[in-house]
Amino acid sequence: DTEVTQTPKHLVMGMTNKKSLKCEQHMGHRAMYWYKQKAKKPPELMFVYSYEKLSINESVPSRFSPECPNSSLLNLHLHALQPEDSALYLCASSQGGSGGPNNEQFFGPGTRLTVL
Amino acid sequence: DAKTTQPNSMESNEEEPVHLPCNHSTISGTDYIHWYRQLPSQGPEYVIHGLTSNVNNRMASLAIAEDRKSSTLILHRATLRDAAVYYCILRRVYRSRLTFGEGTQLTVNP
Repeated sequence: DTEVTQTPKHLVMGMTNKKSLKCEQHMGHRAMYWYKQKAKKPPELMFVYSYEKLSINESVPSRFSPECPNSSLLNLHLHALQPEDSALYLCASSQGGSGGPNNEQFFGPGTRLTVL
Repeated sequence: DAKTTQPNSMESNEEEPVHLPCNHSTISGTDYIHWYRQLPSQGPEYVIHGLTSNVNNRMASLAIAEDRKSSTLILHRATLRDAAVYYCILRRVYRSRLTFGEGTQLTVNP
């Protein structure tokens, strides 16, 4: 199984809502990532988890809260988002946490988030 | 992170080879050259990577200039399914970070 799954596919939420995005992989990968992608723009890294510990936070606002409950699962908790947070949120995983030469990332299809 | 420069867009015809260029004049000795592509409505997918030597895999070939300041992704016979945004990314060895540039939008004409 070389797949990264993300749920839900689409999410519409109000600015006062609390919601969560979920990402799962069963490839035994030990690094997992969240990216944000605005329309017609490249993906931008938000967070990296390595061996279930947060290793990179790209100065993301605290209204985005990542969580890695185990090595297969990654969540992104959303609270009090703004309309400008509307984007495609991509999850990825890779074999190792330190990024060896062959550490390709496998991406999920993303969750398209709309904040009203 | 060192920067890459790619053309905004390129066009090719189906079943013809495609050469996608990438300039990375500030590449360091420990930077690997990675290519990913993103098909419409999908997440990016890994295509190929290399350090100094040319590389081939089932999807593509990667030709790296001798001074490593540029590289070319070669699709040997383009298909309609190859229409995507292609990203050339420099990744420092033993770092997990991928920093995407603007990429090249490849259009494949039937």
